[in-house]
Amino acid sequence: GENVEQHPSTLSVQEGDSAVIKCTYSDSASNYFPWYKQELGKGPQLIIDIRSNVGEKKDQRIAVTLNKTAKHFSLHITETQPEDSAVYFCAVLFGNEKLTFGTGTRLTIIP
Amino acid sequence: DTEVTQTPKHLVMGMTNKKSLKCEQHMGHRAMYWYKQKAKKPPELMFVYSYEKLSINESVPSRFSPECPNSSLLNLHLHALQPEDSALYLCASSQDMGTGAYEQYFGPGTRLTVT
Repeated sequence: GENVEQHPSTLSVQEGDSAVIKCTYSDSASNYFPWYKQELGKGPQLIIDIRSNVGEKKDQRIAVTLNKTAKHFSLHITETQPEDSAVYFCAVLFGNEKLTFGTGTRLTIIP
Repeated sequence: DTEVTQTPKHLVMGMTNKKSLKCEQHMGHRAMYWYKQKAKKPPELMFVYSYEKLSINESVPSRFSPECPNSSLLNLHLHALQPEDSALYLCASSQDMGTGAYEQYFGPGTRLTVT
């Protein structure tokens, strides 16, 4: 079946430093890889996504890189701020229909 | 606007009750989804509707019954639930599904407690 592994499960970084979260997936045919941020008591919020025809995508302080050969992709947050504290989920679209999520990373920004 | 709304925000129900969760979007999206999220776990897909027809049922027990009355509304009817069904129920929508990989936007969820 579809498998998405996400690491680390928890991450604490000093405010202003960078944070990196990595995901690996099993199906080489997958072609869509979104990242979601979930704050306490809220639904997941789409923050950035990447498609398989692109190796990197950036949106202000957030970037995602994709290595299709190795079947992994990563979220990079630079100049972290307290409001970046949340749980982050990677996801992979399998078979063009089913979005499967990673296990989540609890990111804490230390002021 | 990428807003998906869900009602109610919180629901407490007994195992013999019948209740419904509601989801609404006005983005013209033709695919709508129900997910279940347990505490400290990722969302898990339950159902997918595409063009108001049930497209995917992830082997969900029959005590959960989805309904899509029109392209903007999605309901989840609940009957004879178990305490282990307590979770955050999330609705999502996307422009379409299938080839093209469309972004999914989530609502805030309904926090369900079964007593």
